[in-house]
Amino acid sequence: SQELEQSPQSLIVQEGKNLTINCTSSKTLYGLYWYKQKYGEGLIFLMMLQKGGEEKSHEKITAKLDEKKQQSSLHITASQPSHAGIYLCGADGALLANAGGTSYGKLTFGQGTILTVHP
Amino acid sequence: DTEVTQTPKHLVMGMTNKKSLKCEQHMGHRAMYWYKQKAKKPPELMFVYSYEKLSINESVPSRFSPECPNSSLLNLHLHALQPEDSALYLCASSQALLFGNSEAFFGQGTRLTVV
Repeated sequence: SQELEQSPQSLIVQEGKNLTINCTSSKTLYGLYWYKQKYGEGLIFLMMLQKGGEEKSHEKITAKLDEKKQQSSLHITASQPSHAGIYLCGADGALLANAGGTSYGKLTFGQGTILTVHP
Repeated sequence: DTEVTQTPKHLVMGMTNKKSLKCEQHMGHRAMYWYKQKAKKPPELMFVYSYEKLSINESVPSRFSPECPNSSLLNLHLHALQPEDSALYLCASSQALLFGNSEAFFGQGTRLTVV
């Protein structure tokens, strides 16, 4: 079963609109990574959240980790066409409670959220 | 320099061919990873190397053979592949094994087509 579930699976917004992508874990989250991918290309690191309540921002993208809800959210303010792509949340075994030592070093991902921004 | 370089960018190979994918980083990272990504799916971990030693093999078929000749270089040797092995192969590196305190940097990937 998927340990990280993202919602929505796809999102279409008009340029200038705000949006939020969620990543929910089936296990307690101690931290999380967010990546962006253009179709057919590599993953671009956005940010890493390492403790509950932590919030980080990069340009118009803000991510927050809610440890109690086992959830992270990624918020984009005033979206632009350059924000379009696939957003992936990821966690390695050290960041998932009870994942076991053999899971350390295994960075696994949610299924991704496809973002389309119309100009 | 936060670059992970993968070559080639595209590869078409027959089922009887032998080919290799190459990945290089010069960030001094000691952990390197191979991922496989099918269309509309997230990347799936294949292999992890730590200090040039194979640390994790996610039960990958033996037709995929990884090699880490030195701390900057990671290869993936391919032999007798099947059409279903066609995918985007991504390499990544991190300062050390991902224990929740360092990020992984990804290359641009090699688009592999098996015919």
